[in-house]
Amino acid sequence: DAKTTQPPSMDCAEGRAANLPCNHSTISGNEYVYWYRQIHSQGPQYIIHGLKNNETNEMASLIITEDRKSSTLILPHATLRDTAVYYCIVNMDSNYQLIWGAGTKLIIKP
Amino acid sequence: NAGVTQTPKFQVLKTGQSMTLQCAQDMNHEYMSWYRQDPGMGLRLIHYSVGAGITDQGEVPNGYNVSRSTTEDFPLRLLSAAPSQTSVYFCASSYSLGGEGYTFGSGTRLTVV
Repeated sequence: DAKTTQPPSMDCAEGRAANLPCNHSTISGNEYVYWYRQIHSQGPQYIIHGLKNNETNEMASLIITEDRKSSTLILPHATLRDTAVYYCIVNMDSNYQLIWGAGTKLIIKP
Repeated sequence: NAGVTQTPKFQVLKTGQSMTLQCAQDMNHEYMSWYRQDPGMGLRLIHYSVGAGITDQGEVPNGYNVSRSTTEDFPLRLLSAAPSQTSVYFCASSYSLGGEGYTFGSGTRLTVV
């Protein structure tokens, strides 16, 4: 079972920063946090991942708390095209497979 | 560079029919996998492969077969379609066994009547 808790839905105004929370209180020391998104039933798209340091790439920033029990994905200037379901994943089974939860549906409003 | 290509995009099958969903990638990734996604849910792993000639079962393998004769191709076979297999199927490839950098295909929407 997925070891993450995400809100089922969130709204954000276009042009503002979208902050998507994820709780993973049972994360173990060597487990990474991965973020993917899925736009309108397309195939999921990799966004970013991290272990304990904050990470940033051209798509987003990932902030992981010091105790690693939660994280936040930040889309700095959300656009309408960022409307999607965002998945926070920290669970991989013994065969290194991702375990997907239901994610957060992010709606960007004009 | 096409990434991961899945065919067909849509398919309707009658119960008991068999078919093969095709998946091809041109990124020379060793790792490939098949998922199904039911409405409102996350993806569930069906089968995966860590290289040509090597496959293994995921979370929901029953009713599906796979083979991996080349690095590029990873077809998924439905042996005897059932209405419970109505779903959207995604193929993915990755350069590593870790969770980063998966590239997904655009999916196959399968309806079994």
